[in-house]
Amino acid sequence: GEDVEQSLFLSVREGDSSVINCTYTDSSSTYLYWYKQEPGAGLQLLTYIFSNMDMKQDQRLTVLLNKKDKHLSLRIADTQTGDSAIYFCAANTGFQKLVFGTGTRLLVSP
Amino acid sequence: NAGVMQNPRHLVRRRGQEARLRCSPMKGHSHVYWYRQLPEEGLKFMVYLQKENIIDESGMPKERFSAEFPKEGPSILRIQQVVRGDSAAYFCASSERDRSRGETQYFGPGTRLLVL
Repeated sequence: GEDVEQSLFLSVREGDSSVINCTYTDSSSTYLYWYKQEPGAGLQLLTYIFSNMDMKQDQRLTVLLNKKDKHLSLRIADTQTGDSAIYFCAANTGFQKLVFGTGTRLLVSP
Repeated sequence: NAGVMQNPRHLVRRRGQEARLRCSPMKGHSHVYWYRQLPEEGLKFMVYLQKENIIDESGMPKERFSAEFPKEGPSILRIQQVVRGDSAAYFCASSERDRSRGETQYFGPGTRLLVL
């Protein structure tokens, strides 16, 4: 089955760019998602990309997809302290369920 | 348009009791999913339901766990005879049948279950 992996931690300074990486194993994944989770809260959908796209930009967020390497990244420009949270990558394998990575904890320091 | 609603937000049970978790999907959404998040881990799929039907329960433990999504009312995740290992955050998500959005799933705030 699908396996999704992420690095566990990322620490950046306010104003810098953050890049969170994710790899997946199932090349048939049709949609790939990024969710944000703040402490004690649910998951907020940030953005998603369809597998026939290479890049998607949405304000401060840029998603890059390398299908050959099965690699997905989320770039946050001008990172703010309010961006500190756990970021989850998730793959939709076409069987409706999402397979999540373990999450990357982003810490933004002033 | 209200988002996905879950209640209770926090639930404390003693070992052996039953836990009932409720989920109301977003308006217009007919697909409901339940996920479990253990401490310091990602979310794991449990079950996918449409109205009155369980479509995929491949992530549900074989015993003590059941889910339903009746014609009227919220979806219910039921855990019988809870054990300490059931302590986790349980998230519900919903989606609509919209291929243009990839049937994107929107999540509720979760129910945090603590078993004493």
